[in-house]
Amino acid sequence: KQEVTQIPAALSVPEGENLVLNCSFTDSAIYNLQWFRQDPGKGLTSLLLIQSSQREQTSGRLNASLDKSSGRSTLYIAASQPGDSATYLCAARKVDNNDMRFGAGTRLTVKP
Amino acid sequence: KAGVTQTPRYLIKTRGQQVTLSCSPISGHRSVSWYQQTPGQGLQFLFEYFSETQRNKGNFPGRFSGRQFSNSRSEMNVSTLELGDSALYLCASSFQGRDTIYFGEGSWLTVV
Repeated sequence: KQEVTQIPAALSVPEGENLVLNCSFTDSAIYNLQWFRQDPGKGLTSLLLIQSSQREQTSGRLNASLDKSSGRSTLYIAASQPGDSATYLCAARKVDNNDMRFGAGTRLTVKP
Repeated sequence: KAGVTQTPRYLIKTRGQQVTLSCSPISGHRSVSWYQQTPGQGLQFLFEYFSETQRNKGNFPGRFSGRQFSNSRSEMNVSTLELGDSALYLCASSFQGRDTIYFGEGSWLTVV
């Protein structure tokens, strides 16, 4: 059974700081891994999708990496801004049953 | 291009009643999946439909059901509502189910 864990559960940083969010998964037989952000009371917004054959994906100030062998993915946010404050979730899609398992998320607060 | 649309956004039901939630996917997307999000359990997968067929199902009781129409719009139904069914129900669509998924804003269900 795939378990997805995100550490830390919450993170508070001053504006302008670079930060890393962590995601680990127990079953390395994944098809892809996707990062999302969720603002309070809202749905999820897709940030980045990394296929199992890829090592990283970049979009603007965001960079996501994937190490399947160690069951880890990281989301790097450069020069953080107050508008980045949200909960960030990762989700791993299993190969065998296409099931997508979500982590509990990291609640990020960027202070002005 | 319109995003994923979910209706209704908010609803209050009484225990024992049933509810139907609707989801219109992004145009051209054939895969629709449903998730339940609660503070205690996080995001949990309900089911996925692709071309009107249920392709995958999570670990929820039979009171939870869904269907997909020929235009890819989907509905989910919960019968005999329980207090514990109070949650944010999220719908997501993708082109074929293994690519980037896009979420709607969700339907907030409160059972009293």
